[in-house]
Amino acid sequence: DQQVKQNSPSLSVQEGRISILNCDYTNSMFDYFLWYKKYPAEGPTFLISISSIKDKNEDGRFTVFLNKSAKHLSLHIVPSQPGDSAVYFCAARGAGNMLTFGGGTRLMVKP
Amino acid sequence: DAGVIQSPRHEVTEMGQEVTLRCKPISGHDYLFWYRQTMMRGLELLIYFNNNVPIDDSGMPEDRFSAKMPNASFSTLKIQPSEPRDSAVYFCASSPDGQPGAAFFGQGTRLTVV
Repeated sequence: DQQVKQNSPSLSVQEGRISILNCDYTNSMFDYFLWYKKYPAEGPTFLISISSIKDKNEDGRFTVFLNKSAKHLSLHIVPSQPGDSAVYFCAARGAGNMLTFGGGTRLMVKP
Repeated sequence: DAGVIQSPRHEVTEMGQEVTLRCKPISGHDYLFWYRQTMMRGLELLIYFNNNVPIDDSGMPEDRFSAKMPNASFSTLKIQPSEPRDSAVYFCASSPDGQPGAAFFGQGTRLTVV
């Protein structure tokens, strides 16, 4: 049973526009949510996180929104740049610092 | 710091052979994780250690898989005997205590079992 799901395997966006990546989870015990970015042949790199007690966290062009009642989080990238093209994973922290990852969404930003 | 270092980057082996993957975490990090990435299942947590002690190995698929962390600067993931379905990219990650889940990943080992 997948506790963290990213239902869109891919997303294509024009440069300068907003990219919105979505993630759903089922376990209400998760207390932290994170987004990772992965380029080919590299390991995932941490991008941004949000505590379960907040509903928004912003860092430059990246904003993560959390809707606890819907068990849904999203990552907004604005404006999108070609260098943002990568696979984005959402992750949720459970007991003992364990992260459960979603399946990833491949973002393509077209110039 | 050079980050999390994994070796080898690529491994091709024949079915039935033993495979050992290695990881050097970032110095000072108390947590070490082993993940496997496949097309079908995405990123799965196999096992993690806290202060060199295995805490949760429920993600280890079978008894053919084993992991050790003899000291704070080294961990191994061993598959014996290896099977074609073990082919995947294996990532090691480490994180400091207190930082909620922000793990730093190595570049991964791409394992191909033929």
